[in-house]
Amino acid sequence: DSGVTQTPKHLITATGQRVTLRCSPRSGDLSVYWYQQSLDQGLQFLIQYYNGEERAKGNILERFSAQQFPDLHSELNLSSLELGDSALYFCASSVAGAGGNTIYFGEGSWLTVV
Amino acid sequence: AQSVTQPDIHITVSEGASLELRCNYSYGATPYLFWYVQSPGQGLQLLLKYFSGDTLVQGIKGFEAEFKRSQSSFNLRKPSVHWSDAAEYFCAVGQTGANNLFFGTGTRLTVIP
Repeated sequence: DSGVTQTPKHLITATGQRVTLRCSPRSGDLSVYWYQQSLDQGLQFLIQYYNGEERAKGNILERFSAQQFPDLHSELNLSSLELGDSALYFCASSVAGAGGNTIYFGEGSWLTVV
Repeated sequence: AQSVTQPDIHITVSEGASLELRCNYSYGATPYLFWYVQSPGQGLQLLLKYFSGDTLVQGIKGFEAEFKRSQSSFNLRKPSVHWSDAAEYFCAVGQTGANNLFFGTGTRLTVIP
């Protein structure tokens, strides 16, 4: 158990819909990261928050957004869903930034868009 | 630009045989290197990491990895593979001041009895 908690574990939704994925980081970790894992793209970094502020952006679509709340939990919002958005979405956390710090991953949220 | 290469997409070994998974990176500065394992339907579990110091690092489940700066490599090894080691293995690289990890495409390990 990494200490990173993600909900829901599985989600099936229709195209055009909106979903929210939730993440609680490890106790004491200030950074939260979101990654997308799909068969064709592999593990792609989406976005990072540190203590409530956005720190880095990766390959995140404009239809996707995220935020980190004062209690440090984070949410990833996916809207206008397309079939291609079906993937495993990982949340990860670390004490600070990735440089020199270990990033611990949750078990992921499986999103299926039908 | 940073990149991580895992040249072997799929490796099959017999139970009890030794294992080496390759990882090469391209980075301008001293990298921080990680190996993660993902069992089917599971999340990413950290096996080991290298930040500095001894270039041979020990991890969990009997794995070790060696950082070779001259070869830009961080290969993962295990002397005797167990059936439970069947999984996907990812090499990842971070850098001072960087805010995320870059992952390789993964190597799927199959273990045959």
